[in-house]
Amino acid sequence: EPEVTQTPSHQVTQMGQEVILRCVPISNHLYFYWYRQILGQKVEFLVSFYNNEISEKSEIFDDQFSVERPDGSNFTLKIRSTKLEDSAMYFCATSEMLAGGDNEQFFGPGTRLTVL
Amino acid sequence: DQQVKQNSPSLSVQEGRISILNCDYTNSMFDYFLWYKKYPAEGPTFLISISSIKDKNEDGRFTVFLNKSAKHLSLHIVPSQPGDSAVYFCAASPSSGSARQLTFGSGTQLTVLP
Repeated sequence: EPEVTQTPSHQVTQMGQEVILRCVPISNHLYFYWYRQILGQKVEFLVSFYNNEISEKSEIFDDQFSVERPDGSNFTLKIRSTKLEDSAMYFCATSEMLAGGDNEQFFGPGTRLTVL
Repeated sequence: DQQVKQNSPSLSVQEGRISILNCDYTNSMFDYFLWYKKYPAEGPTFLISISSIKDKNEDGRFTVFLNKSAKHLSLHIVPSQPGDSAVYFCAASPSSGSARQLTFGSGTQLTVLP
């Protein structure tokens, strides 16, 4: 069964450093998302991406964050200058584009980001 | 932000019995609802969904009920199995927008006792 994959599974970084989290979507999916879950809190939406541009973004997704699909397969989330409060599980999700239908999102296993 | 609420942080059920997980929402723009299951150190796994044009959707042991007037949905698992023990998240999305962001509840830890 096709699945979303994410690398790395765990990233440890120093505050102020840049990190790039990578996701490989399910091959026929066209919508891509990033969510995060801070320990003990809800899963929160960050950004959605379609047709090589951002569709929606939340208040969390400020200028420190960016997304791109550099090579047509990977979908990346970059945090330019990490802060302690960026420590969280980051989940990539993808969905098909079904005309007139509902599109469930399929999640990857997550990347645990630890900012020291 | 409490647009999607799961008021029971935990639920214990005997194997073979029915598990009922509840979810309430406040945003009238939500028209598509999903349930996800999550094990520790894994991503959420999609279980079942329902759109606002329906009041029930069934898939094997899992049934989701939607009461739009009460802004309430529930997930029924019957019969419950020990492998169902996990955190269950309710999620909702609005009718507008082609890339539907999901708003999650806080989750309910289900424990199915053998």
